[in-house]
Amino acid sequence: GAVVSQHPSWVICKSGTSVKIECRSLDFQATTMFWYRQFPKQSLMLMATSNEGSKATYEQGVEKDKFLINHASLTLSTLTVTSAHPEDSSFYICSGGVETQYFGPGTRLLVL
Amino acid sequence: QQQVKQSPQSLIVQKGGISIINCAYENTAFDYFPWYQQFPGKGPALLIAIRPDVSEKKEGRFTISFNKSAKQFSLHIMDSQPGDSATYFCAASPAGGFKTIFGAGTRLFVKA
Repeated sequence: GAVVSQHPSWVICKSGTSVKIECRSLDFQATTMFWYRQFPKQSLMLMATSNEGSKATYEQGVEKDKFLINHASLTLSTLTVTSAHPEDSSFYICSGGVETQYFGPGTRLLVL
Repeated sequence: QQQVKQSPQSLIVQKGGISIINCAYENTAFDYFPWYQQFPGKGPALLIAIRPDVSEKKEGRFTISFNKSAKQFSLHIMDSQPGDSATYFCAASPAGGFKTIFGAGTRLFVKA
């Protein structure tokens, strides 16, 4: 199957700082990528749809000014958590693909 | 109408037993039904998938049964092994892909 990478795999930051997470499709081009958030023992919560060359589409209740998404190329989407707070601590996962979703390995964010 | 309902929430099975996870959907526009397997701290990975024109698909110990009229599908894991212990998500997407809808997940534990 296709491969999606994420970087970093984990990050610890202080409250108030911004954190950027990269999602790359290594062997396919992705005009659309998805960003999810997952709390322990819970399902995948879709945060936003990242569209190459245009604005991201955010799910209801997700603050677009807090979770900035950029999809500048067909192989790279980035999620920036701005002014992170402890409640933003979570496991963030991206995916790409048309029908089958190929997921990245996830990024664990801990905000102190 | 966009939901995919998954049950049970958790499942404990003896080694060698059969694990069965069920999902139901309402939107008849769904055309692709994958199952994903997720190990702790990792991103989900495609396990097996089916389209509604087929009633059953088998890959090794994993079988999807699909009932189009009832709008239900299930995953059967034969000869369950401790290494199968993971969280399983059913999903559905419309023809042409785009947004995949995920079930809430089932945490499977296979006792040795």
